[in-house]
Order: sequence, then C-alpha cells, then structure tokens
Amino acid sequence: SQQGEEDPQALSIQEGENATMNCSYKTSINNLQWYRQNSGRGLVHLILIRSNEREKHSGRLRVTLDTSKKSSSLLITASRAADTASYFCATHLQGAQKLVFGQGTRLTINP
Amino acid sequence: NAGVTQTPKFQVLKTGQSMTLQCAQDMNHEYMSWYRQDPGMGLRLIHYSVGAGITDQGEVPNGYNVSRSTTEDFPLRLLSAAPSQTSVYFCASSYSLQTQEETQYFGPGTRLLVL
Repeated sequence: SQQGEEDPQALSIQEGENATMNCSYKTSINNLQWYRQNSGRGLVHLILIRSNEREKHSGRLRVTLDTSKKSSSLLITASRAADTASYFCATHLQGAQKLVFGQGTRLTINP
Repeated sequence: NAGVTQTPKFQVLKTGQSMTLQCAQDMNHEYMSWYRQDPGMGLRLIHYSVGAGITDQGEVPNGYNVSRSTTEDFPLRLLSAAPSQTSVYFCASSYSLQTQEETQYFGPGTRLLVL
C-alpha cells in the first residue's frame, strides 16, 4: 500500500472558507512535502516540513507534522477559486533517496 | 532557465513498440527521477538517479530502463510497450535529497497511450 495516504480524496468548499487536507504515512521520514497539481500540469512544490519541525507557514498555507501519529495536515485559509487543484503529500523516507507520493486530495473551490 | 523539459508531450504507441521519453534540466541538479501517474494511484516512482552514471529502481521499474550519462539528461526507455504502460509520465529533479535543497521541480509531463 502507499506510504502516504491522503484524506479526504475529494473536498468541495465555498470560496473564502478554509480547506484542510490530511496525510498519513507508515515509516520514519526525513521530511514531508506538499505539492499542488493543476489539471493536466506538472506538480508544483508548496512547502516542506522537516521531521524535527511541528508547524510551518507560507502565505495562506499552514502545515503541521505529528511524527508520533505519523500524520501531517495542510490548511489553506481564505480559499480562492485559483486554489482549485489536486494536492499531494510526499514523504522522504529515512535512509532512502526517494520521495513517495500519496494519492492526492482533489480540492474544488466554488465561487 | 527552462527548468525541467520533457518531450514529447503526447505519444501513441502500438503494443510491442519501443520509445524513449526525454527529460532534461538546466539547473545543475544532481537528483532526477521518473514517475508515472494513473487515475486514483497518485504518482509512483519508476527510476531515479542521484548523479551522472548512477541510477536505481523505484516502486514500479519493470518494463522501463534508464541511463544518466550527463547531469542534464535522464531518458526513460520503454523496451516493448504494453497497454498497462498507458499513463502520464513526469520527470522531476532537485539539487539533492541529501541536503536542504530537496524541492522537486517537475516537468510538464508526457501523455502516453499504448494501443
């Protein structure tokens, strides 16, 4: 099964509301990254949080990491129509030189 | 900088044909990787390289070969295409997975259809 599993698989909210996506993983990590993918495009890096960090902010994004629960969350505040995309978490496994991606959350922001 | 480029953007193959998907980056990145993306499956790692002359297998390497003769290029070869290889293929690069510079830069993707 996937190292990273995201929840929910799909999320639809009204513009201006906050969106929260969760990612769980199975093994120890060096860091966890979040990416965004607009339809038909390549992925774009949003934010990276290291295993010794608990929270990180970037603009309207807030990421938390709980290594004891092996989970992370991505919060997008004051959502905009342009935030409509798929969001993926990726884990850099300890001792490995590869990133493992989750299945993604498809976010739809309704105007 | 052009970033990460991939060619072709779209390709149709018949079962059994071979082809090479090209990937190049101009950022002097050491680490390059290939993923395939299928509906509901996220991205799965096919092969990766930590530098010129060094490659290794990812989660789904069967049916694919790679080589890394230069820092800039990381081609993916399909030796005998099968319908199960119908997918969107993404190439990505980063400075390294061993340092602080781990952000992956993705190419625009190659959409492959195997009939």
